[in-house]
Amino acid sequence: DAKTTQPPSMDCAEGRAANLPCNHSTISGNEYVYWYRQIHSQGPQYIIHGLKNNETNEMASLIITEDRKSSTLILPHATLRDTAVYYCIVPLLGTASKLTFGTGTRLQVTL
Amino acid sequence: SQTIHQWPATLVQPVGSPLSLECTVEGTSNPNLYWYRQAAGRGLQLLFYSVGIGQISSEVPQNLSASRPQDWQFILSSKKLLLSDSGFYLCAWSVRQWETQYFGPGTRLLVL
Repeated sequence: DAKTTQPPSMDCAEGRAANLPCNHSTISGNEYVYWYRQIHSQGPQYIIHGLKNNETNEMASLIITEDRKSSTLILPHATLRDTAVYYCIVPLLGTASKLTFGTGTRLQVTL
Repeated sequence: SQTIHQWPATLVQPVGSPLSLECTVEGTSNPNLYWYRQAAGRGLQLLFYSVGIGQISSEVPQNLSASRPQDWQFILSSKKLLLSDSGFYLCAWSVRQWETQYFGPGTRLLVL
C-alpha cells in the first residue's frame, strides 16, 4: 500500500467542521484514497473514497489535491458521535485489496 | 440491503482450546470475504480472504484456518488457541476485490 501519514489526534468542537488531513505522496495514478473510521469497540465503518475528483456523500466530503499527494476528509458539522479513529488508506492494486490500517487520527469532538 | 453478521460478540477461551468464529453476509451473492485481526492499540492485519466457495487465501502463517462452506458463510477456526491469538476479529465483505470493504461488528477474543 502507498504509505499514508496522519496526525495522531485532533480535537473539534461540536457543530464545527472537522478537517482531517492525510499525506500519501507515493500514491500511484490508479490508486484510490479510502477513509474509514472506527468507533471504540466497533468494526470499521466505510466513509468515502475517491480517485482524483472531490467527492461528497451523506457522511463527509473528500478533497484530493491536484497532485494527489494529499487529501482532507471533512465532516461538515461534527457531533459527539463522530468521535472515533479515522483511517486514511490507499490499498495496493494487484492484491486482494488489502486494507492496511495504520494508527489513524483520533478525533475527539467536544461540547 | 446487505448486512454482515458475526458471532459471538465476545469470547473467553483457555489456551489450547479450539475456536470457531462465524461470519455471514446477507443481501448479496458471491461476495469477497475477509478475516482481519486487530490487536489492542494496533492496526488491522489481514488473515484470510475468499473470492468464492471453498477458495481461501492465507495472508499470514499461523495456527488459524478459514473455510467458506457456503457463499454467504465464512468461518475462522483454530484447533489449539495461543495467548497471542487474543484480539478483535473482524469479518468484511466486498462486491469485488478492488472495491469498498464493509465490516461486521467484530468478535472480541480473549485467550487466558
